[in-house]
Amino acid sequence: KNEVEQSPQNLTAQEGEFITINCSYSVGISALHWLQQHPGGGIVSLFMLSSGKKKHGRLIATINIQEKHSSLHITASHPRDSAVYICAALTYNTDKLIFGTGTRLQVFP
Amino acid sequence: EAQVTQNPRYLITVTGKKLTVTCSQNMNHEYMSWYRQDPGLGLRQIYYSMNVEVTDKGDVPEGYKVSRKEKRNFPLILESPSPNQTSLYFCASSTRQFFSYEQYFGPGTRLTVT
Repeated sequence: KNEVEQSPQNLTAQEGEFITINCSYSVGISALHWLQQHPGGGIVSLFMLSSGKKKHGRLIATINIQEKHSSLHITASHPRDSAVYICAALTYNTDKLIFGTGTRLQVFP
Repeated sequence: EAQVTQNPRYLITVTGKKLTVTCSQNMNHEYMSWYRQDPGLGLRQIYYSMNVEVTDKGDVPEGYKVSRKEKRNFPLILESPSPNQTSLYFCASSTRQFFSYEQYFGPGTRLTVT
């Protein structure tokens, strides 16, 4: 079993829909990252969370430390949101990033 | 502008021909790391460095070397590349100061070994 698991692996949506991507982890963490990888390959950090909730524009990330679970929500999705979304756990004892395998999101007009 | 740069961005080479992929950051970050990304496997850590002259193996270090002689640079060296090292490589940096763990990624290097 992977230490960081994401679901779903693939997601298609119509423009305007509310999107949720889930991430569960089994290790102790200092922080959890949500990353976005564009079709061209570049990786951008969206959020870094250690507790609670963060919001940036139409993106919202939440984390439940007790349940070892995080979610990334996209409100009013748009075709430009099409990308691979990756969660990564920064482990507490080794200070190392462990990545999920990513969720490929396609938003159609 | 805060950034991590990698060179080259694309490289096609032949088995056994030594190559170096450079990585440089301008944010005075202590922590730098190399990852490879393969379909279905996600990102995996190759090597990381906590500071100058301090490096350690990640999950998949075989066939790779690194050095950290200066804080800003963290080159990845493939002494004798093989086809199974064909992959997309990312360098990243971060700081641990003030409990900041934000990660900055380079643009990636797509390597093909024939």
